[in-house]
Amino acid sequence: DAGVIQSPRHEVTEMGQEVTLRCKPISGHDYLFWYRQTMMRGLELLIYFNNNVPIDDSGMPEDRFSAKMPNASFSTLKIQPSEPRDSAVYFCASSFAGGSRPLGETQYFGPGTRLLVL
Amino acid sequence: DAKTTQPNSMESNEEEPVHLPCNHSTISGTDYIHWYRQLPSQGPEYVIHGLTSNVNNRMASLAIAEDRKSSTLILHRATLRDAAVYYCILRDGSNDYKLSFGAGTTVTVRA
Repeated sequence: DAGVIQSPRHEVTEMGQEVTLRCKPISGHDYLFWYRQTMMRGLELLIYFNNNVPIDDSGMPEDRFSAKMPNASFSTLKIQPSEPRDSAVYFCASSFAGGSRPLGETQYFGPGTRLLVL
Repeated sequence: DAKTTQPNSMESNEEEPVHLPCNHSTISGTDYIHWYRQLPSQGPEYVIHGLTSNVNNRMASLAIAEDRKSSTLILHRATLRDAAVYYCILRDGSNDYKLSFGAGTTVTVRA
């Protein structure tokens, strides 16, 4: 298995531009998570999906951020318009629970997208 | 969310064991203890998890106190590749799929 795939790996953009980050979870996984990591705030959960449905988006910082999961093999995180304070590493992770209560299932993280907003 | 407390940093010599402590005095009966680590410039990776009993896998061992208010991650023989930030995380096994990362412990391994 190729693991969680994220693209692009690096993104440099100017303030005000739209940024779209992409994630392909591990095949068969039913949970998908988006995290953001900065030096100041550490690793934060932004949103997560179960079976393509957003379950908890309380970590999404503001309306400029949106996430979608149109099918089980693809998700996007969009920032529009982007601001310099959005500069961070964005991680996507997936896991499999199979509809049962979690018994400590592992989250598998992608390599991350390093975003720099100038 | 139940919180964890870890030392900011620890140093070890190569080939020696590393004991990483974690305090979680407000742990509830349904909380699982998870450990993840993050190597430089990589995403976090799963290390080990447990509920009440001590656990062993190929990467590490997890020793859980009898009252579950603390635990220790044990790397039996540290290598340079074990240099990373190690996160101790509590997860509610009843209905919470989220991982809440704290600051973790930065482990440095000396050759």
